[in-house]
Order: sequence, then C-alpha cells, then structure tokens
Amino acid sequence: NAGVMQNPRHLVRRRGQEARLRCSPMKGHSHVYWYRQLPEEGLKFMVYLQKENIIDESGMPKERFSAEFPKEGPSILRIQQVVRGDSAAYFCASSRQGAREFFGPGTRLTVL
Amino acid sequence: LAKTTQPISMDSYEGQEVNITCSHNNIATNDYITWYQQFPSQGPRFIIQGYKTKVTNEVASLFIPADRKSSTLSLPRVSLSDTAVYYCLVGDPTTSGTYKYIFGTGTRLKVLA
Repeated sequence: NAGVMQNPRHLVRRRGQEARLRCSPMKGHSHVYWYRQLPEEGLKFMVYLQKENIIDESGMPKERFSAEFPKEGPSILRIQQVVRGDSAAYFCASSRQGAREFFGPGTRLTVL
Repeated sequence: LAKTTQPISMDSYEGQEVNITCSHNNIATNDYITWYQQFPSQGPRFIIQGYKTKVTNEVASLFIPADRKSSTLSLPRVSLSDTAVYYCLVGDPTTSGTYKYIFGTGTRLKVLA
C-alpha cells in the first residue's frame, strides 16, 4: 500500500506566478489535510478536506490560497500570484474517518 | 489546545539512551500525548502515543507522571539515523484529529558518532 504521494517534490516559481501542489492520499483514505512549514519552524495547519468538501479552512490565508479535493483525482493546493513569503515546505496528510493521519514527503516551494 | 514546551536541541552519542521531556501544564482531562519524528525533507512520522503512566513500543517508551503535566520520550540506544526533529503534541484524539494539534518547533536531536 503506497503512502501519501505528493508532487512535485520541488517547485520553483517566480513572483506573481501560480503554484499547484498535488496530494494523492493513501488508498482508502477520504480525509486530506494540508500543512505549511517554514524553515526552522513546526508545521502549521492550513486546511482539512473530505471528498468534495472543505471541513476546516481556519489555517488558510484569506487571499491567494485555495484547496480542493474532487471526487476523482488528487487534492490540489493552489497558490495564486506567489510571493517570496510563500516559500516553504507544504505537507499533505491523509486519514480514514477518526483515525490517525499519515504524512506525505512534502513539496518544497521556492519563490524567486 | 494545550501548549507544549520542549528543549530546542539535544546532542547525544550513538548507543546512548536519549530522554526528551515535554511540558504541557494545561493538559485537559481527555487529552493524549503524542510524539512525532521528522527527518529532513520528509513529513512527520508517528512514534508513540499515551495517556498516563508508561507506554512502550518497538521504537520508544513514553513516561507520563501522575499529574500528566509533562511527559518524557525515551529512545533506547540511539543511532546516527535517529538524528531528527521530535515533536510533542497534546490533544483529544476522540474529538479532533491530529490536524488540530499544535506543532511547536520541536526538539532537534543530533546523534554523534
């Protein structure tokens, strides 16, 4: 059973471009979570999704960030008009209902 | 959610036992204590979880005193591959998932040869 998959592993964008980060949950997991980790800091929760629904987006910046988890396909974290401060590692985790989360390897976003 | 305090960093030598203590003074009655390990360029990985007294698995032991205001993660005979950041999290797994837990800066353990 493959773990949580994230791609790309590394993403470089120039200021003002869009970044799309993908997360494929573990088989049988219908809950997806996105976190952001700045250098030398702990993970910060961003958003929690179930298939086609956003359950909790309390950690999501109000502008430029959006997330979706469609019925088919991976979950997508989208950052529009990226700025240097968006440079970070973005981790996705997945779980079954009420069970512990498993984390993916992360996507490292660098904004030039 | 309970705030946790851990040492920022620790050094140890291969073969030694490492104990990392976490303070969580305002832990709630239903809260559990969970420890995660994170290697560079990887996502956090669950190590151990406990509520009180002592929990042991194949990787580590977790000691929790009666007042539950602190806990100690014990790694027996560490090796170089145990060099990582260790996070102590506190929360109620029955009412909220790990996503509600607060990841602090963790303890950066460096194991030396």
